[in-house]
Order: sequence, then C-alpha cells, then structure tokens
Amino acid sequence: DAKTTQPNSMESNEEEPVHLPCNHSTISGTDYIHWYRQLPSQGPEYVIHGLTSNVNNRMASLAIAEDRKSSTLILHRATLRDAAVYYCILRAIIQGAQKLVFGQGTRLTINP
Amino acid sequence: DTGVSQNPRHKITKRGQNVTFRCDPISEHNRLYWYRQTLGQGPEFLTYFQNEAQLEKSRLLSDRFSAERPKGSFSTLEIQRTEQGDSAMYLCASGAPSGRGTDTQYFGPGTRLTVL
Repeated sequence: DAKTTQPNSMESNEEEPVHLPCNHSTISGTDYIHWYRQLPSQGPEYVIHGLTSNVNNRMASLAIAEDRKSSTLILHRATLRDAAVYYCILRAIIQGAQKLVFGQGTRLTINP
Repeated sequence: DTGVSQNPRHKITKRGQNVTFRCDPISEHNRLYWYRQTLGQGPEFLTYFQNEAQLEKSRLLSDRFSAERPKGSFSTLEIQRTEQGDSAMYLCASGAPSGRGTDTQYFGPGTRLTVL
C-alpha cells in the first residue's frame, strides 16, 4: 500500500479554519485519497474522499495538489467537537471491498 | 439507531480465558470488517467478510482468534486463551459497494478488552 505522511499533532482555535496536510508522494494513478477521523472514545468515521478534483461536503473540503502527491483536509470553521485524530488513507480503485490501512494520523486539538 | 452496534462495550477477563464479541452491522450492508486498535495507534485490519464468506484474514489473526458471520448478518469474534497482549479496542465496521473507490466503512463504538 502506498504510504501517507501526516504531522503527529496540530492545534487551532475554535471558529478558525484548519488545514490538515497529508503527503503521499508514491500515490498511484488508481489511488483515491480518503479521510477518516476518530473522536475520543469512538470508532473512526468517514469524512471525505477524492481522486483528482477538489471536493466539498457538509463536514469538510479536500484540496488535492495538481500532481496528487499531497492533499489538504480543510475544516472551514473548527468547533470543539472537531477535536479528533484525522487519518489520511489511500485506497486503490478496485471492485470489491478493501481494508483501510491506517497510519498514526494527526491529533487535532481545538482551543476554546 | 441504525448504526453499527457492538457488544459488550467493555470486557475484563483473566489471562487464559476465552472471550467473544458481537457486531451487528447496518442491516443492508453485506461487508463486515474487524479491526484492532491499541493505545496511541491507528486501527489495524484483522479480517473481512462479504455476506457469510470470510474473504481476507490478517497475519495478526493468530490461531487463537476466530471470526464468524453465519447468516451474513451479525458477526462474532472469539479469542481463545487470552493473553495480556490481546488487550485492545476491537472495532467492527460495515460497508456496502457504492461505486469505484467509494466503499465507505461505518464503524461501531468498539469493544474494549482488558486482559489481567
């Protein structure tokens, strides 16, 4: 599986935007970029995914570099509830199920 | 609640005992995954079912571990002769095919196992 690299931790203030980076320099043309997050004492939850174009949903935005070797998860207005570990995961485009391969993720702290 | 449920939420056992965990996936999902998570680490894949068929097993799943999904609905994960190293959070996730690259997995709250 292609690897991703994320900072171990980041800190931000409530109601400010947060940009969470992910490097994936060995990404292949068939890999989607997925983001999951894990709130304290909960299982992971899906946030967003994309292939080449930037993506938006109600939770976040995903900005993908033109060469696809990096991406950024953007939380437009962080709340205390966004404090979590954020995982950037590459998944190949294949039919059928596929396990998620989690790294260490980025622990995001939100200051009130 | 229509999410993934896991029981029990917490289990404390003595070394050498057997334990069994249950996962009830989202009802229309035919895929079911088990992961294990130790403190400070990301979840690690253990095994995967499509309907009742177990299609992939991790090397982490030693012969003391067995998982079943007899009717393609709920699943059980059994650990025999537990060891202290088995102490972890055991997570279950379910999913359904939704197009290429979009197999979103929905996780349960996990079962925390402590082996004394």
